Formats: sequence, C-alpha cells, structure tokens
Amino acid sequence: DGGITQSPKYLFRKEGQNVTLSCEQNLNHDAMYWYRQDPGQGLRLIYYSQIVNDFQKGDIAEGYSVSREKKESFPLTVTSAQKNPTAFYLCASSLSRTGSTDTQYFGPGTRLTVL
Amino acid sequence: AQKVTQAQTEISVVEKEDVTLDCVYETRDTTYYLFWYKQPPSGELVFLIRRNSFDEQNEISGRYSWNFQKSTSSFNFTITASQVVDSAVYFCALSENTGNQFYFGTGTSLTVIP
Repeated sequence: DGGITQSPKYLFRKEGQNVTLSCEQNLNHDAMYWYRQDPGQGLRLIYYSQIVNDFQKGDIAEGYSVSREKKESFPLTVTSAQKNPTAFYLCASSLSRTGSTDTQYFGPGTRLTVL
Repeated sequence: AQKVTQAQTEISVVEKEDVTLDCVYETRDTTYYLFWYKQPPSGELVFLIRRNSFDEQNEISGRYSWNFQKSTSSFNFTITASQVVDSAVYFCALSENTGNQFYFGTGTSLTVIP
C-alpha cells in the first residue's frame, strides 16, 4: 500500500537529549513537510523540503533540524535547544515541488513526551 | 492575522442531526485552494476535499457537502445525518498560489452523541 509511515508512534525523551523522528513515504512525492500540533491548536509548520538535498524553515524551526538525503525520507531531529518539545508531530507529503497548492497527505504522527 | 478562522471550537450534536462547520479565510491571491481534513482520535489527518478559487460549485459526497462562497470568503462543511464515527477534529486549510505553505485553522472538535 502506498502511504506515509512515521515511527515511533510514541517517544519519550529526557531533557537535554536529541531525538530523531522518522518519516518515510512511498508515494513518489517530491515535497515533504513537518508539522507540530499542540493540544487544542492547529498545525504549525516546522520545516519543508521540495526536493532532495534542499529544505526550508517554516514558522517554528528553532530547536529542530532536518535532512533530505533521499526522496522518500525526511527525518526530523528535535534538539535539546527546543525549549518545549512535548507535542504531536505530523509528517506530510505532496506531489509537486513547485508550490504548496497540491494536496498534502499525512502520516499517523509521533507523540513526543519530554520527561 | 489569522488566514483561516474556525470560530467553532467545539460542537456536540445528537446522532442523525445535521451539523455545519464554519470556515472563513483571508487572502489577497486570486488563485488559491481550500481544503478540509478530518482528524479522528488516532491522530492522523485524513484528506476530505480540495477546491480551487475558480470553482464555486457546491460539492456533495455522500453525507458530506461543502458550500464555497467567495463573496463571504467562506468554505463551510455540512455533515448530514451525523453518525458517531463522525466524531473528530476537523481542520480547514488554505494554500495560496504565491506561497509555500498551508495555513490551517485551529480546528473544530465535533462530538456526535449516540
């Protein structure tokens, strides 16, 4: 089945640790995105990538880093610099690299909790 | 300023009632796209519909219908004969032809009571 997978589903981190969230897609989509969702709020864009080896900061990139070495993979690292990382993280992808007007399809999400 | 406003934070209805979720957007682009997504308790956002700014025809898909009115910058979503499985958070989103991202509303949490 084509789709987007995220792992792990739940992740616990101690303060001061970096953690990496995985996102893989087999839809052959060019663009990929990372969003953060806090309780009762909408989605906020962290980073996006429209092509391999290129990515752009979104609205809340501080304390996060990404890489896009392969078309199908877009891992997100939550660094110790992120002051309040407890949240639900959603990865998405869309077909075209030429803009954001394509439909974005989402993975099942990773719930990160800092202990 | 919020580009997408979903003023209804939470709505509760009894099963089989009709319910309308409101979405108001703001953009200066003449070409833009509007979306609705459903987020069930599992967390994954499920795509429901995409409309472009040049197509104001209302759309119906089963029990779901959408009313797009450019004159009021609204893209409202109606569920007819609601069911318990419709309980979820629903998000409206906007993307502009000149931009690089989606703008999501804050979501409306719908609870359908059996």
